[in-house]
Amino acid sequence: GAVVSQHPSRVICKSGTSVKIECRSLDFQATTMFWYRQFPKQSLMLMATSNEGSKATYEQGVEKDKFLINHASLTLSTLTVTSAHPEDSSFYICSALTGEKLFFGSGTQLSVL
Amino acid sequence: AQSVTQLDSHVSVSEGTPVLLRCNYSSSYSPSLFWYVQHPNKGLQLLLKYTSAATLVKGINGFEAEFKKSETSFHLTKPSAHMSDAAEYFCVVSSPGGYQKVTFGTGTKLQVIP
Repeated sequence: GAVVSQHPSRVICKSGTSVKIECRSLDFQATTMFWYRQFPKQSLMLMATSNEGSKATYEQGVEKDKFLINHASLTLSTLTVTSAHPEDSSFYICSALTGEKLFFGSGTQLSVL
Repeated sequence: AQSVTQLDSHVSVSEGTPVLLRCNYSSSYSPSLFWYVQHPNKGLQLLLKYTSAATLVKGINGFEAEFKKSETSFHLTKPSAHMSDAAEYFCVVSSPGGYQKVTFGTGTKLQVIP
């Protein structure tokens, strides 16, 4: 079946550094990729929607200069958390859309010290 | 270890009849459980969530789910299906802690027949 690879699975970084999270569709082309974050015991929050070759569409309240999304190809989207702070510590997960089917990455736990 | 099993990849019901989408989970922790709906070409929308409060959870659009620890189940139900309910539904388990983990089911596509 279709696989979405998300790396890294866990990252610990110092405050002020930038962290890049990759999301790859391994055996299909993803027309659209979604990025979510989730805090403990809360639901997923959609951060942005990205389509290959165009700028990402950010949800209200999500800082586009803080969370840089690059959808360089039909198989790769990256989320860069710039100048990370402890409040950015969260679980980030991507999903890739092909046709009408949605597939999910395994997520990235970001801890900012 | 943590896993989610959605027992049916496709469910077909007639409009006006009850909906049952099944979900079983396993988790080493006290999990939070969610149901999300995905309409074509859209992202996920939260239907409802269980986070260790009442075991019967009511969500949007008339959906509800019951957390049954003894059966490790969290099935989604609705008394009467509408055409607009046709979509893909995902059961999700989330385990908190120092290393939060979120696991998705493979999804159940609900077809509603007029």
